[in-house]
Amino acid sequence: DVKVTQSSRYLVKRTGEKVFLECVQDMDHENMFWYRQDPGLGLRLIYFSYDVKMKEKGDIPEGYSVSREKKERFSLILESASTNQTSMYLCASTGVGVAKNIQYFGAGTRLSVL
Amino acid sequence: AQKVTQAQTEISVVEKEDVTLDCVYETRDTTYYLFWYKQPPSGELVFLIRRNSFDEQNEISGRYSWNFQKSTSSFNFTITASQVVDSAVYFCALRVNTGNQFYFGTGTSLTVIP
Repeated sequence: DVKVTQSSRYLVKRTGEKVFLECVQDMDHENMFWYRQDPGLGLRLIYFSYDVKMKEKGDIPEGYSVSREKKERFSLILESASTNQTSMYLCASTGVGVAKNIQYFGAGTRLSVL
Repeated sequence: AQKVTQAQTEISVVEKEDVTLDCVYETRDTTYYLFWYKQPPSGELVFLIRRNSFDEQNEISGRYSWNFQKSTSSFNFTITASQVVDSAVYFCALRVNTGNQFYFGTGTSLTVIP
């Protein structure tokens, strides 16, 4: 079974802090994604990566950056956390070819910025 | 541009009732894939089904069934004889063959009352 692991289930940070959200997948997937989930807005794509060191902006990249130094790990970085970044963050991965067609998700990180 | 609409924000049913969750999508691509995911209170999105645009055959899996109609751009999900364990948020999603991005609807929160 594919496993996508997010390092923290809950995080509480202060405004202005630099925040790292980590995601690791164990299926050698090429594609990895970061979403944020807010009530009434569904899942919105922040960034995705289709290979090591490669990234593309999603729909709401402002205030975020990402890092993919190794294939299995995709990090989301909030350079200076703000209260409007309080949200649930979900990481996902997919393979290529037919395996591109199913996204596997982590359990999510609920971030509160105070 | 791609878009997925789930007009039902919240639905409540009494246990053993049937319930249908609606999903309408928009795309100009001719090859695309449609998905349903379940998000229980634990937070992790669980893949339920994938359909490609060339396969309009309806599918049944136990108490779950899916109705895909290209003529109305809909991919509806029916739960027969609902159970309390079906209480969750359900997301419909779309991916076009030319891209990596998944487009999610805003989700339908289903509550099954015992």
